[in-house]
Amino acid sequence: QQPVQSPQAVILREGEDAVINCSSSKALYSVHWYRQKHGEAPVFLMILLKGGEQKGHEKISASFNEKKQQSSLYLTASQLSYSGTYFCGTPISNDMRFGAGTRLTVKP
Amino acid sequence: DTGVSQDPRHKITKRGQNVTFRCDPISEHNRLYWYRQTLGQGPEFLTYFQNEAQLEKSRLLSDRFSAERPKGSFSTLEIQRTEQGDSAMYLCASSKQGRQETQYFGPGTRLLVL
Repeated sequence: QQPVQSPQAVILREGEDAVINCSSSKALYSVHWYRQKHGEAPVFLMILLKGGEQKGHEKISASFNEKKQQSSLYLTASQLSYSGTYFCGTPISNDMRFGAGTRLTVKP
Repeated sequence: DTGVSQDPRHKITKRGQNVTFRCDPISEHNRLYWYRQTLGQGPEFLTYFQNEAQLEKSRLLSDRFSAERPKGSFSTLEIQRTEQGDSAMYLCASSKQGRQETQYFGPGTRLLVL
C-alpha cells in the first residue's frame, strides 16, 4: 500500500515556506524523500530512520514520527530551484512504495 | 563517480513489437530495481534484483514483462507484444544493501507505443 501525500500541489512565492506531509497505514521503519524535475529522474534528498530523527539538506529539513506513521518535509525560504515534484518513499518488504507526489511551484 | 545509466533514453515502437531496455547500475551496488512511472504518479515498483537473483516481482507485472541481471551487473527489461498502455517512463535504480540503503535512479527510458 502506497503512502499518502498532502497537499497534491502548492504554489509559493520565492522566500515563502511550505510543508509536505507523508503518511502511511503501515508501520514505517524509514522514509525516503526525493525530488523530481519535469522530464528527469527522481533525485534523492534524504532518508529518515526510525527514532524520530530530523535531517536537513540545504534549507530543506524533514521529521519522522514512527508512532504516527508519518513524515513531514519542510522547505524554508524557498528558492526557484526548489520547484519540482516531491515524493516520499517507504520501504515495504524488498521494494519502495512511493506516494503520488506533491507538485511544488516557486514563483519569483 | 558514474551514476546509474539507462539505454535508450527514448523508444517509439508500434503495438505488438518487442522492446528491450538496459540499465547499468552504480558499480558497487548489489541491488537493482525497475520502476514504471506514468504522468502525475510516483514510480511504481516492477521488480528487484539482489546480485543476479530476481527476488521480487510485482503482482501487477504482466507475463509480457521479463527482466534479467545475468552476472549481477547490468540488467535488461524486455516487454513483449507491447500495448499502448505500456507507454510510460521506465526507471532503474540501484542501491547498496545496508541500514541507510538509498536508491539512486537512472535518467529513465521513455517508451511510446503507437
